[in-house]
Amino acid sequence: GAVVSQHPSRVICKSGTSVKIECRSLDFQATTMFWYRQFPKKSLMLMATSNEGSKATYEQGVEKDKFLINHASLTLSTLTVTSAHPEDSSFYICSADPPGTNLGEAFFGQGTRLTVV
Amino acid sequence: GQSLEQPSEVTAVEGAIVQINCTYQTSGFYGLSWYQQHDGGAPTFLSYNALDGLEETGRFSSFLSRSDSYGYLLLQELQMKDSASYFCAVRDRRSGYSTLTFGKGTMLLVSP
Repeated sequence: GAVVSQHPSRVICKSGTSVKIECRSLDFQATTMFWYRQFPKKSLMLMATSNEGSKATYEQGVEKDKFLINHASLTLSTLTVTSAHPEDSSFYICSADPPGTNLGEAFFGQGTRLTVV
Repeated sequence: GQSLEQPSEVTAVEGAIVQINCTYQTSGFYGLSWYQQHDGGAPTFLSYNALDGLEETGRFSSFLSRSDSYGYLLLQELQMKDSASYFCAVRDRRSGYSTLTFGKGTMLLVSP
């Protein structure tokens, strides 16, 4: 089955530094990938849609300059949290929709637990 | 826009049956999905209903009534490992792709 791999699974960084999270589709090409953020005991909130070869589409209220998204190939999207602050600490997770799958099913990476100290 | 409502928490005992309801409001509807998420893990797909009726997958079943904008997830023969959060979700068609909007989640606590 389709696999989406996300790295790293956990990261701790100092306030003011930047962190890059990678999302890879391992056995299919993904022209579009999605980035979510989830706070403890809350729902998954879509942050942005990553489009291969073009600019990402950000959801309302998400700072483009803070959450940089790059989708340079058909199998890799990256999310960079710039100048991280403690309030950016959260669970970040990506997903992709393999071609031919039904609309109901999305494939998620393992998620990245970001802690900013 | 899309909005989904589901109970925040449900408790049950091992071996029991539990139903988690979901009502939704959407500008365009393409089906209702259900996901399970254990603490600290990624969501995993459970079921999808595009048409009215019941879909059964092992111990899990999902039901949809499009006229009522309502669906539910039914979990039978509950096991301790079923303790998790359960999310209903709908698709939102964008230009050239679609995105998933999730409900706030229902935390299921299964006790011995």
